[in-house]
Amino acid sequence: DAGITQSPRHKVTETGTPVTLRCHQTENHRYMYWYRQDPGHGLRLIHYSYGVKDTDKGEVSDGYSVSRSKTEDFLLTLESATSSQTSVYFCAIPRYQGRTGELFFGEGSRLTVL
Amino acid sequence: DQQVKQNSPSLSVQEGRISILNCDYTNSMFDYFLWYKKYPAEGPTFLISISSIKDKNEDGRFTVFLNKSAKHLSLHIVPSQPGDSAVYFCAASALGTGGGADGLTFGKGTHLIIQP
Repeated sequence: DAGITQSPRHKVTETGTPVTLRCHQTENHRYMYWYRQDPGHGLRLIHYSYGVKDTDKGEVSDGYSVSRSKTEDFLLTLESATSSQTSVYFCAIPRYQGRTGELFFGEGSRLTVL
Repeated sequence: DQQVKQNSPSLSVQEGRISILNCDYTNSMFDYFLWYKKYPAEGPTFLISISSIKDKNEDGRFTVFLNKSAKHLSLHIVPSQPGDSAVYFCAASALGTGGGADGLTFGKGTHLIIQP
């Protein structure tokens, strides 16, 4: 099965502080995705990447930036965290090589912004 | 505008009976549909999918039905087991038609509870 590691798995921070979440994959996929999951909203796409230094916005990208300097790492940054960004964040890669609809998800990073 | 809708936030079913989870979509460019299962504190896991050229796909106890004219799909679980208790997300993709953004569009989820 595909390998994704998210870090940190849990983080508590204060409003206004910067936060970076890391997604590391071992499958050499071009495509990587960041989603957030909130009660009553399901999973919503924040940003995605289709290659090194190639990224694009998703449905809920405001307040987030991403970077992909190497194939295996996709970073999600909250420049100045707000309470509305309290959520569980999931990284995902295609389940198979290539660009497919099936995604494999990491275990999630739970972020609490006080 | 919500493109994938799961109108039942929760569903309670007795063990051994059939569970039917429903999903509606509005974007006619969607050509691939998936169901994911999620346990607490874990990432969503892929369950079953169906292409828009089919109307049924079966995998063991799980069957997904697609009605394109009604823009409706359903997931049937027969027989339901206690381990099936989880949140189920319906998702859709328009990669084949190029009609949507990359990634998957998810519904809000249905919490399935299997009663012993």
